[in-house]
Amino acid sequence: KAGVTQTPRYLIKTRGQQVTLSCSPISGHRSVSWYQQTPGQGLQFLFEYFSETQRNKGNFPGRFSGRQFSNSRSEMNVSTLELGDSALYLCASSTMGSLAGGQETQYFGPGTRLLVL
Amino acid sequence: SQQGEEDPQALSIQEGENATMNCSYKTSINNLQWYRQNSGRGLVHLILIRSNEREKHSGRLRVTLDTSKKSSSLLITASRAADTASYFCATGNQFYFGTGTSLTVIP
Repeated sequence: KAGVTQTPRYLIKTRGQQVTLSCSPISGHRSVSWYQQTPGQGLQFLFEYFSETQRNKGNFPGRFSGRQFSNSRSEMNVSTLELGDSALYLCASSTMGSLAGGQETQYFGPGTRLLVL
Repeated sequence: SQQGEEDPQALSIQEGENATMNCSYKTSINNLQWYRQNSGRGLVHLILIRSNEREKHSGRLRVTLDTSKKSSSLLITASRAADTASYFCATGNQFYFGTGTSLTVIP
């Protein structure tokens, strides 16, 4: 099976712009989770989507949003970018996600590195 | 918060030595998972230990779990340069990761 893919791998934006990141999960996986990773804050959970519905959400402002399509592919969008949004954005997929109560392995993509200038 | 916290933040050892890192968490858990991340890349699952297990092995990895102390440890035996990476524990519904332990194995 192909692994989790994320596009683009690298992105440079300026403050105030918006950005859309894409994640294609492993075939058959219905749960996609997004994380933001920065040196200072570590790995922070953004949100989880399962069958096109947002199931869980982390503590991020409304500028961060996401969606999931019927083929389980997911996108996340960040509007009005700030310098502090510079980070590695990771997505992970699994079969059941939070419904499995932590019993499943998450499979991570390589990440999208976003730099906001 | 269910977030795990790894300790130490950074660890540097010689190749062949053992590396031990710890994870502490605050709430009751059903299981705990360890992941590895090579520099700037995605995380890779290493091992899952359930709350009713005390120890688990996988190759050169040994994980222990002490639910009374709300802590877990990951031991890597006979370390190799390729083990250089950051190691994270995850609790709850897998969504809560610590800040990681950065391990450097010197050849």
